[in-house]
Order: sequence, then C-alpha cells, then structure tokens
Amino acid sequence: ETVLTQSPGTLSLSPGERATLSCRASQSVSSSYLAWYQQKPGQAPRLLIYAASTRATGIPDRFSGSGSGTDFTLTIGSLEPEDFAVYYCQHYDISPPGFTFGQGTKLEI
Amino acid sequence: EVQLVETGGGWIQPGGSLTVSCAASGFSVSNYYLSWVRRAPGKGLEWVSVIYAGGKTDYADSVKGRFTISRDISANTVSLQMLSLRADDTAVYYCARVRRNLNHFEYWGQGILVSVSS
Repeated sequence: ETVLTQSPGTLSLSPGERATLSCRASQSVSSSYLAWYQQKPGQAPRLLIYAASTRATGIPDRFSGSGSGTDFTLTIGSLEPEDFAVYYCQHYDISPPGFTFGQGTKLEI
Repeated sequence: EVQLVETGGGWIQPGGSLTVSCAASGFSVSNYYLSWVRRAPGKGLEWVSVIYAGGKTDYADSVKGRFTISRDISANTVSLQMLSLRADDTAVYYCARVRRNLNHFEYWGQGILVSVSS
C-alpha cells in the first residue's frame, strides 16, 4: 500500500504570495492516478488537479500540478483570499486496490 | 447535472449499527464507481469503501468486516451499512463519484455526520 506524505503540515503565507505544497509517495506511483483536492471548513472537498497536472473544470490557472515517480507538487501562483484552506493529495493503488490520501497541508494566512 | 445527496446520519451508541445512503442524479450508479470517504474531527480525509461498476467492492482495513457498501440500481442509490460502530468511526461521511480509468473523486456530496458516543 502506498503512503502519501504531505509537507509542510501548515503553510503560513499572505495573499499575492506563491504557495508550494509537496506530496511524497512511499513508492513510485503512476502520475495518472495522482490528484489534488481543496477543502474549506464545512464544505465537501473539491477536485483541483488530476493526473498530476491537469486542472479540473473551472479551476483557475493559478493552480498547477507537477511531478512524477514519488514526488509531486501543487503550486498556487498568486494566493487569493479564498485559497486559504486544507489541501490533500490522493492516489489509487491497483494492487492491493484502494485509495489513499495524504494527511493534508493547511494553508493559512 | 450530477448530484449526490447523503442521508441517514445521526448519533449512535458504540457497538450500534447505522446505514447512510447516497441518492445520485444526473447519471446511473450502474455505470460508475461510487465511493465513501470520511473526515473525522480534527483529522484528514480517509477513504472508506468503493463499489465498482461491475458490482465488486473494496474496503479500507479500518472498516473491513464491519462496513458493507451496496447499491440499488433501480433507485439509483448507494448505501453504506455500518456495524459494530466505534468512537473512532465518528466523522462526516461523503459520497463521491470516481472518474473512470483515472480513479479520482470528481463529484462529491455535501456530507453527513455520523457521531458514535455513549
């Protein structure tokens, strides 16, 4: 089973700054199965990026994903006030089959 | 428009049973993978279970043997039967549709709270 480790646990930045969030897998994984989500208090998670680098429908282009193998990155180019939330990476394992989330990165002002 | 609406949550004592359901609209549950994901208070997201389009199911180790996922194709719903509930099952439970072939969660319900305490 693949373990996803996100860093940092908390990231304190200001609007207008650039945010770089990391997701490291315990073994090499397929980029096709790597996704990123944003969750705000009281809301359901929202899909941001799938297949490591493809933005989901309606996601602003300040959000970008990159990486391969064991190291993946979510970058937010210029933070807007609404971007302060918790971010999760997620992967699907074929064998044994199942889904895994990282523990999350809280992006705070 | 794709929509997922969870029902059936609430408070239950440890050792008890509860079933949460997810009503889908805008697509047929027979054609997609449907999954349950939970978030316990102060914790991160945890995948719970999935039912594949062909009807096969998988579970996280933390719930295997206690939870059962099923679907009613005629009603277009997916349910999660939870037995032998423990305090650490307390969480908001989300129903989510899985994108075929890429296996990420593309649509989510609003979530429903299950609280296990004495």
